[in-house]
Amino acid sequence: GAVVSQHPSWVICKSGTSVKIECRSLDFQATTMFWYRQFPKQSLMLMATSNEGSKATYEQGVEKDKFLINHASLTLSTLTVTSAHPEDSSFYICSAREEVYDEQFFGPGTRLTVL
Amino acid sequence: GNSVTQMEGPVTLSEEAFLTINCTYTATGYPSLFWYVQYPGEGLQLLLKATKADDKGSNKGFEATYRKETTSFHLEKGSVQVSDSAVYFCALTTPWAGNNRKLIWGLGTSLAVNP
Repeated sequence: GAVVSQHPSWVICKSGTSVKIECRSLDFQATTMFWYRQFPKQSLMLMATSNEGSKATYEQGVEKDKFLINHASLTLSTLTVTSAHPEDSSFYICSAREEVYDEQFFGPGTRLTVL
Repeated sequence: GNSVTQMEGPVTLSEEAFLTINCTYTATGYPSLFWYVQYPGEGLQLLLKATKADDKGSNKGFEATYRKETTSFHLEKGSVQVSDSAVYFCALTTPWAGNNRKLIWGLGTSLAVNP
């Protein structure tokens, strides 16, 4: 199947700093990518839909100024957590939609810990 | 609105036992239905899917049948193995939403298979 990578796989940062997470589709182009947040022992919460070349569509309750999404190319989307706080600590997962088979492929996730 | 209800876990079984994880959904029209699996330390993977009523998705010994009359998509496996220990997510998507269609997730069911 198609491969999606995320970088970094884990990051620890101080409160108040910003962290950027990259999501790449390695062997296919993705017009649409998705960013999720997963809390321990809970389901995935969709944060936003990222469309190449246009603004991301955020889900209700997600602060767009705090979680900046940039989908600059057909293989790369980035999520920047600005002015991170301990409550932003979570597991962030991206997925990319492969258009031919209309299937979402998921990255391995990024564990963010804010001290 | 669209939603997915999944049986709560954790589910603990002995090797070679029969597995059923219940999933029911609420959606207008005819959604596509999916089961995803998240193995420990790995990213989400599509396990199987069905796109129309009475379709049966199958993979790695797992099966699920799209039942429109009961709005269900229960996951079954006749004989589980220790390697099946993972978290299983039921999900749906609404094909008619175009490029903005997104996956609606159940809460996940943790499965532990003991030797």
